[in-house]
Amino acid sequence: GAVVSQHPSRVICKSGTSVKIECRSLDFQATTMFWYRQFPKQSLMLMATSNEGSKATYEQGVEKDKFLINHASLTLSTLTVASAHPEDSSFYICSALAGDNEQFFGPGTRLTVL
Amino acid sequence: GNSVTQMEGPVTLSEEAFLTINCTYTATGYPSLFWYVQYPGEGLQLLLKATKADDKGSNKGFEATYRKETTSFHLEKGSVQVSDSAVYFCALSGYTGTASKLTFGTGTRLQVTL
Repeated sequence: GAVVSQHPSRVICKSGTSVKIECRSLDFQATTMFWYRQFPKQSLMLMATSNEGSKATYEQGVEKDKFLINHASLTLSTLTVASAHPEDSSFYICSALAGDNEQFFGPGTRLTVL
Repeated sequence: GNSVTQMEGPVTLSEEAFLTINCTYTATGYPSLFWYVQYPGEGLQLLLKATKADDKGSNKGFEATYRKETTSFHLEKGSVQVSDSAVYFCALSGYTGTASKLTFGTGTRLQVTL
């Protein structure tokens, strides 16, 4: 099946710094990618839909100025957590939409903000 | 809005035992239903899906039937193996434009022992 990678897999940063997470579709092109957030023992919550060449669509309650999404190419979407704070600590997962409308998921990035 | 409820885990079974993980949903319209599996350190993988009522999805010995009358999509396997140990997520899709948005349950951790 199709492969999606995320980088980094883990990141620890100080409060107030910005963190960038990359999501790449390795063997297919994806005009649409999704970013999810997962809290311990909870389900994946969709944060935003990333569309290549246009602005991302954010879910209700997600701060677009805090979680900056750039879908720079058909194989790359980035999520930047701006001025991260401890409450932003979480597991962030991306997925890429393949031609048959199936989502392929990355392995996730664990963010810890001290 | 859409929601998915699945049984809390962890579920601990001996090898060759019968597995059932319950999943019920609330949705408008006629969603597609999915089971995803997440092995340790890996991204979510699609295990099986069903796109309309009474459809049965199956893969790797796992089965689930789309029951519209009970709004359920329970996952079953007749004989589990140690290698089935993972977290299982039930999900449904609702379309926005041309992209499928997924709503996930909280996940159920399965631990299979010898």
